[in-house]
Parts: sequence; C-alpha cells; structure tokens
Amino acid sequence: DAGITQSPRHKVTETGTPVTLRCHQTENHRYMYWYRQDPGHGLRLIHYSYGVKDTDKGEVSDGYSVSRSKTEDFLLTLESATSSQTSVYFCAISESGPGTGRRPYEQYFGPGTRLTVT
Amino acid sequence: GENVEQHPSTLSVQEGDSAVIKCTYSDSASNYFPWYKQELGKRPQLIIDIRSNVGEKKDQRIAVTLNKTAKHFSLHITETQPEDSAVYFCAATANYGGSQGNLIFGKGTKLSVKP
Repeated sequence: DAGITQSPRHKVTETGTPVTLRCHQTENHRYMYWYRQDPGHGLRLIHYSYGVKDTDKGEVSDGYSVSRSKTEDFLLTLESATSSQTSVYFCAISESGPGTGRRPYEQYFGPGTRLTVT
Repeated sequence: GENVEQHPSTLSVQEGDSAVIKCTYSDSASNYFPWYKQELGKRPQLIIDIRSNVGEKKDQRIAVTLNKTAKHFSLHITETQPEDSAVYFCAATANYGGSQGNLIFGKGTKLSVKP
C-alpha cells in the first residue's frame, strides 16, 4: 500500500487539548496531503505539502496546522481540539502535484486515523 | 473553484448486473479524473483514472467515460460481484495556466451488490 503509515490509528481526546497526527512515507514522494472524511462530505483537503518546510492550505484548514521537517514525515496538529474535528483523517502522497506543469498526479492514501473529540 | 457532484449517493444492484455512477464537474479546465474505491474501514484506493485527452478507458470489468462538452464522467462496472460492494468516490483536478490544482472529491456513492 505505497509505503504510507499513520499514527495513532485511533485516538480519543477531550475538547481543548492539543492533538498531533503523524503521517510517514517510505516512497520519497514530494507531495503529501491531509484530508478529513465525514459522512455526507466525502474527502476534504485540510493542508498539503510540496516539499520540506513547504506547505499550503486546503479547503478546510481552519483550526489545523501542519509541519514537514523531513521528506518522509508530515504532521497535522489540532492546537485546541473541538467536537467538530471528530472525524477520520487520511494522509495521502503523490509524486507530482499542485503547482506543477507535469502530468496530473495519482494520490495514494494511508490507512487513516479515527479521532474522537469528547 | 472546482465543484464535483456525484450521483447517486446509494446504489443497490443484483450480482451480475451493471452499475453506473455519474459525476459532473464545474471547471472546464479540469483535466484529470480519478475514481477511488473505499471498502468499509479501509483506505480509499485508486481503481481507474482518465485524462482529458481520451473519452473512455477500460480495465477488465470497470470503465470510465468522459464527456468534456457536458462536463461529466461516469464509472461503469459490469458483471458486478459482492466484492464490488464499497463506497466509490470520483474526483477532478484542473490545470490553470500550466499549474495543477488539488483534487476535489465528490461525496461518494455507496454501492451494494446483492448475491
């Protein structure tokens, strides 16, 4: 499955606490993404990265921050978790991606993290 | 920006029948249209994609068609089997002056294949 892992796979946390989710890849792909999946909404992009220390916002970025200090790791942080952030979070990777003139890109997804904020 | 509509939201078919899922997109600059299959509790997996320079692509029992004029694309599954039961997502991305945008996903179709 394209060498992508996510940790933790499940987490329950309380409102107001900080939470960090980790995505790790062994494919050396340049692009990494964080999505959230909610019933009736499909997959929505939170943030993405196009290289080490290079990140940009997606369509639902409010309340989230990201960091990428190494090619293989992309971290998603909820500074102060809210109940509306209860969701399943997927990381994805691709060789090419937004902002390039290259051929359109295939994205490969990690196994997901189920986060519950109580 | 791009908007992708997907229909139907649920689809139930008998084993052996065909299933068709349709998506429409709003941005005429869209040029890449992947389809993902997500089994219960699993990750979305790319099953087929089509680029704007072709009208149809086939891979065994699945096919995708693209109508750029009407801005819609469809997934066709023939001879359905119980293991085809899953949620299917379409997506689209546009190229703006040589710069590729992000994937925009439809809301998904839950396909149930009854034995």
